[in-house]
Amino acid sequence: KAGVTQTPRYLIKTRGQQVTLSCSPISGHRSVSWYQQTPGQGLQFLFEYFSETQRNKGNFPGRFSGRQFSNSRSEMNVSTLELGDSALYLCASSLVTGVGNSPLHFGNGTRLTVT
Amino acid sequence: ELKVEQNPLFLSMQEGKNYTIYCNYSTTSDRLYWYRQDPGKSLESLFVLLSNGAVKQEGRLMASLDTKARLSTLHITAAVHDLSATYFCAVVRAGGTASKLTFGTGTRLQVTL
Repeated sequence: KAGVTQTPRYLIKTRGQQVTLSCSPISGHRSVSWYQQTPGQGLQFLFEYFSETQRNKGNFPGRFSGRQFSNSRSEMNVSTLELGDSALYLCASSLVTGVGNSPLHFGNGTRLTVT
Repeated sequence: ELKVEQNPLFLSMQEGKNYTIYCNYSTTSDRLYWYRQDPGKSLESLFVLLSNGAVKQEGRLMASLDTKARLSTLHITAAVHDLSATYFCAVVRAGGTASKLTFGTGTRLQVTL
């Protein structure tokens, strides 16, 4: 069974640009969540999507947005990039949303560098 | 606000030794996860702990959960070099969605020969 697939693996962008990251969940998984990992702030929850609806959102500015398609694939977008947005962005999928005991399955991440 | 603290942040240990990583959290939770991350890689799920007193073991790793003390431990027995990685605990607030994890700072484990 294929795991969570994230593309691209690496991105280099300039301040002020925007970027779109893509995530394909494990087949059959309907919940997709996104996390940002930086050396200073660690792993932080960005948002979660289930059945094309955003279910939860973390404490990030509106420049960070996302969406989920009918096939459960998800994209996240960051507009007006800042240097502090440089991070590893991890996507995770799970079977269901809400209460559950199955762990999140993480992809290999997209490493974004903003110059 | 849910806060999760891990200690130590860095742990260097010799092969064959035992050690414990601690994970404390600040609010009620009944679900805790342990993940492993190798450099440049993603997060690999190790354990899911659901109830007070839960204990799970896999190989040289054993995790436990005390919800009353808001404490989880990850015990390493007779460490081997392959266990070198960063270990994270992650907590779900009681009643919260399982996808919204609050992660600890991570413990970087280095096992030396």
